[in-house]
Amino acid sequence: KQEVTQIPAALSVPEGENLVLNCSFTDSAIYNLQWFRQDPGKGLTSLLLIQSSQREQTSGRLNASLDKSSGRSTLYIAASQPGDSATYLCAVRRYDYKLSFGAGTTVTVRA
Amino acid sequence: SQTIHQWPATLVQPVGSPLSLECTVEGTSNPNLYWYRQAAGRGLQLLFYSVGIGQISSEVPQNLSASRPQDRQFILSSKKLLLSDSGFYLCAQDRGDYEQYFGPGTRLTVT
Repeated sequence: KQEVTQIPAALSVPEGENLVLNCSFTDSAIYNLQWFRQDPGKGLTSLLLIQSSQREQTSGRLNASLDKSSGRSTLYIAASQPGDSATYLCAVRRYDYKLSFGAGTTVTVRA
Repeated sequence: SQTIHQWPATLVQPVGSPLSLECTVEGTSNPNLYWYRQAAGRGLQLLFYSVGIGQISSEVPQNLSASRPQDRQFILSSKKLLLSDSGFYLCAQDRGDYEQYFGPGTRLTVT
């Protein structure tokens, strides 16, 4: 069974600081890994998708890395803004195409 | 456009009453569709997934059921709600190379 862990559970930083969110998974046989953002009371918004053959993906201020052999992914958010405050979820897709989710990291960016 | 619609947005139902939540998606034909539940303070739990009309797989045996009467319609039902059925219900769709997108969700409170 795939276990996905996200550390820390919560993070508070001043505006402008870079954010580093960690995700670890127990089974390296993954199809892809996806990072999501969830605002309170809302659905999930896809941020980045990394295929198992890729090492990283970038979109604007966001960069996600994947080290499949060690079972780790990191999401970097550069120059954080108050609008980045949200819960960030990591999800790993198995070869049966089901997603296993971490519990998320709740980020607060202080103005 | 590829949009996921869910209704109702919020629902308050008494214990023992029936439930029907609807999800419809636009765009791609024969999409993989998913129902998740997110309980307060807990992670996302996969309830059902479907790879085509009439094809439903259940992840968690309970008093919920799902149906897919049309290609882009996915319905979550219950004959008798329990207090433990309260939560945030999310419909999701796979697009492209297995990137998952989520609808806005339905907040269900069972009283």
